[in-house]
Formats: sequence, C-alpha cells, structure tokens
Amino acid sequence: GQQLNQSPQSMFIQEGEDVSMNCTSSSIFNTWLWYKQDPGEGPVLLIALYKAGELTSNGRLTAQFGITRKDSFLNISASIPSDVGIYFCAGQLSTDKLIFGTGTRLQVFP
Amino acid sequence: DVKVTQSSRYLVKRTGEKVFLECVQDMDHENMFWYRQDPGLGLRLIYFSYDVKMKEKGDIPEGYSVSREKKERFSLILESASTNQTSMYLCASSIVGGSPYGYTFGSGTRLTVV
Repeated sequence: GQQLNQSPQSMFIQEGEDVSMNCTSSSIFNTWLWYKQDPGEGPVLLIALYKAGELTSNGRLTAQFGITRKDSFLNISASIPSDVGIYFCAGQLSTDKLIFGTGTRLQVFP
Repeated sequence: DVKVTQSSRYLVKRTGEKVFLECVQDMDHENMFWYRQDPGLGLRLIYFSYDVKMKEKGDIPEGYSVSREKKERFSLILESASTNQTSMYLCASSIVGGSPYGYTFGSGTRLTVV
C-alpha cells in the first residue's frame, strides 16, 4: 500500500533547539495533516492544512502545505521535553482514507 | 469529550489463540479503521468500515478479520494469533466524506503473542 516518505526517521536534539521534518509523496493531496503520538498513546491531530502554499501555526509549531501539493513540512521552535514523541504526516485525497507517513521519532534531551 | 475507546491497553496471547480487539466510538462516525503500528513502518491499514456490516480490506488484511454489527463498535479479530502479529493496534474513526480534521484515534492496544 501507499505510504508517504517522511524524514528524518529519528532526531535526538537538545532542549531549546528548533526541529524540522518533512513529508513527500508521488501523489497530490487535497489536505495535509500532522499528528503527534505521545509514548503509549494514540496519535493526536496537531495541524491541518487545506490549501497549497498554506502556512499554519499552532503555538511553537508551524506547518506548510507544499506548493506542488506533494509535500509538507513541520517545524517546532524552541523544543521542550514534552515535545518527545512520534510525529506523523498524513495526506488526504477526496476519499475517506488518509495515507500516513512512516513517522519521525523525536527525543529531546535537557 | 469525544472519544474512541479501545477495550484493552495491553494483551498477551498464546500462538494459535483467537483474539478479539474491541473499539467503541461515541461520535456517531460512519467510518472506522484498524491500523497496525510497527517501528520504522508507520501506520498500516488493516481494514476499514464505512457503515454497519460494511468493510473493506486495507493494505495488510492477511490473518485478520473484522466485525461491525453496530455503528459505534468495530472489532478486529485475529483468527489464529501468530508471533508476527505482535504489534501496537490502533483504532480510529471519522465522518463520511473525510473529516477536515482527519481521524480520531484510540489509545492503542499493545498485543504480544507468545
């Protein structure tokens, strides 16, 4: 089945650093979503993007819907220990199904 | 607070056992999904259901079946559990037509088959 290419696979950073991750696809999507999964929990929606070129912020998080509609980026500024977790991108077509990325595991050291 | 509830957080089963994973949502969503999560492989769709008694295979349906007798409940069945089915299982739901907010996930069931 189709999956999105998400990178990096894992990141180990120091508290206070900025983080960038991205997701690319061979398919065009109408919606891009970013989820975070805390250890031992299910994924929770962070940001949703609905238009090519759109840049959306949620606190220290900023995400962009790529202009080609085939990619998306997530940035986290000034990381803190509670940012630890797995971040997933997801693309949505006109159907009811989401296609998920392989995830970026983030570890933040004090 | 809307919820997707998975009945067990942790399960340990023996090889060959028939295993039932239960998922209940209280949002009146038409769509329900079962995913499997493995390190480095992300979320892989096992089955989804778009209405009561309706189901469709996902990307990795082999060794699994599902049941949806009521709108709020979607069950994943491992007919004869094997060690390679040791994994984290996530249930999700959404409205028909694709919610602009994507899916709502449960907290997951971590299944170990010994």
